[in-house]
Amino acid sequence: SQTIHQWPATLVQPVGSPLSLECTVEGTSNPNLYWYRQAAGRGLQLLFYSVGIGQISSEVPQNLSASRPQDRQFILSSKKLLLSDSGFYLCAWSGPGILELGELFFGEGSRLTVL
Amino acid sequence: GNSVTQMEGPVTLSEEAFLTINCTYTATGYPSLFWYVQYPGEGLQLLLKATKADDKGSNKGFEATYRKETTSFHLEKGSVQVSDSAVYFCALSDQGGGSNYKLTFGKGTLLTVNP
Repeated sequence: SQTIHQWPATLVQPVGSPLSLECTVEGTSNPNLYWYRQAAGRGLQLLFYSVGIGQISSEVPQNLSASRPQDRQFILSSKKLLLSDSGFYLCAWSGPGILELGELFFGEGSRLTVL
Repeated sequence: GNSVTQMEGPVTLSEEAFLTINCTYTATGYPSLFWYVQYPGEGLQLLLKATKADDKGSNKGFEATYRKETTSFHLEKGSVQVSDSAVYFCALSDQGGGSNYKLTFGKGTLLTVNP
C-alpha cells in the first residue's frame, strides 16, 4: 500500500533562518507531488506541484522554493524565513497523469512557527 | 479562473441534527467536484466526489449532488455525530480548464458537533 511521510511535524524557527521540509512517498511510482499551505482563515493554498523529477510548477511567487531530486521525494525550502511563512504545510501525492478523478493523498502536515 | 466558495463557519450543531454546508464553484472547463475532510491535527482525506452533472457522491452518511444549473455541490448529512467534528473542504479539478494537475480548494468550514 502507498504511504506518505513528511517531517518535521513541528518546527519553530527565527525570522531569517533557512527552512527545509521533506516529504517522501512509498508504494507508488511517478506520482504527482504537491505542497500546500494552510493558514488560519485562508484555507488551503497550493504552493508547488511536480509531475516528474526536476519538474516544478510554482503557483504563488514568494520566498519559498521546491525541489524534487528523486521520483518520490519532494522538498520545500527557504533561504530566509519571514513571519508570514508561519502556517501548516501539507504534502500530497496523486497518481501519474492528469488529476481526472481528483484524489489527493495528504501527509499529516508540518506546523511551522516563525518568531 | 477557477474558484470555490463555501459557507463561512464555524458551524455548531447538536448530535443528530441535520447538516448542510453550501459550496458553489466557478470553472472554465469540465470540473469534477470533491469534498475533503480534515480531522483535528491531521491531513486531509477524500470524503466523496462527483465527476459529472447530476452525479451524487456519498460516503459515511454524507451526500452531495453535482448541480450544473446552480454550479453547486452542497454537502449534507441527515444526522451528525460528535465524531463528524472536523474541517470540511469543497474542491474542484477542471479538466480542459488549465488545471489538469491540481485541485482548487475552498477556504474550509469548521464543524463542531456537541453531544
